[in-house]
Amino acid sequence: GEDVEQSLFLSVREGDSSVINCTYTDSSSTYLYWYKQEPGAGLQLLTYIFSNMDMKQDQRLTVLLNKKDKHLSLRIADTQTGDSAIYFCADPRTGNQFYFGTGTSLTVIP
Amino acid sequence: GEEVAQTPKHLVRGEGQKAKLYCAPIKGHSYVFWYQQVLKNEFKFLISFQNENVFDETGMPKERFSAKCLPNSPCSLEIQATKLEDSAVYFCASSQGGSGIYGYTFGSGTRLTVV
Repeated sequence: GEDVEQSLFLSVREGDSSVINCTYTDSSSTYLYWYKQEPGAGLQLLTYIFSNMDMKQDQRLTVLLNKKDKHLSLRIADTQTGDSAIYFCADPRTGNQFYFGTGTSLTVIP
Repeated sequence: GEEVAQTPKHLVRGEGQKAKLYCAPIKGHSYVFWYQQVLKNEFKFLISFQNENVFDETGMPKERFSAKCLPNSPCSLEIQATKLEDSAVYFCASSQGGSGIYGYTFGSGTRLTVV
């Protein structure tokens, strides 16, 4: 996606924490999102963070937002094999078009 | 229903043939979006609708691509005279609002293969 960047691959051992990072350039968005895509499936909304928050926790997921550095991260605690998927950050910006990151492929090693 | 239904799941077309993809948004969602996902996972925005009106078509290759959302019918995306580079997964999404604060609900996609 345009100006929304992610590292392409991440590999972790089952039970460890995973941290997926995303940088964006436009700071006008009210919300930023994380989506998960399993093989052969569409995008599943995982979580989102309001732009005036620094952190949001939702069970095993923690989202951190650093607006100054335009950096967003998703931490998955106690990563399981079922978490293996591609994770996309998404920036809606103004208007109605989402800009998706390039996706990070997470592989969980048993 | 509570899911975005896309049909067909797979579509194979010979180069130059027409392809038509369908999307039934979630009831009550007034915005529909079409995205194209190519091999490197990149999502390319194609077009969005607010009800039956085109909201943003800045991503549409206008020569061969067209889309409609008519009342009481699934939305459709049509590609005339398909080319090899049209091979991709086409995702439809719907949303309650158009400004991004509602998030999208995605369908499971239609995989188009042009041979």
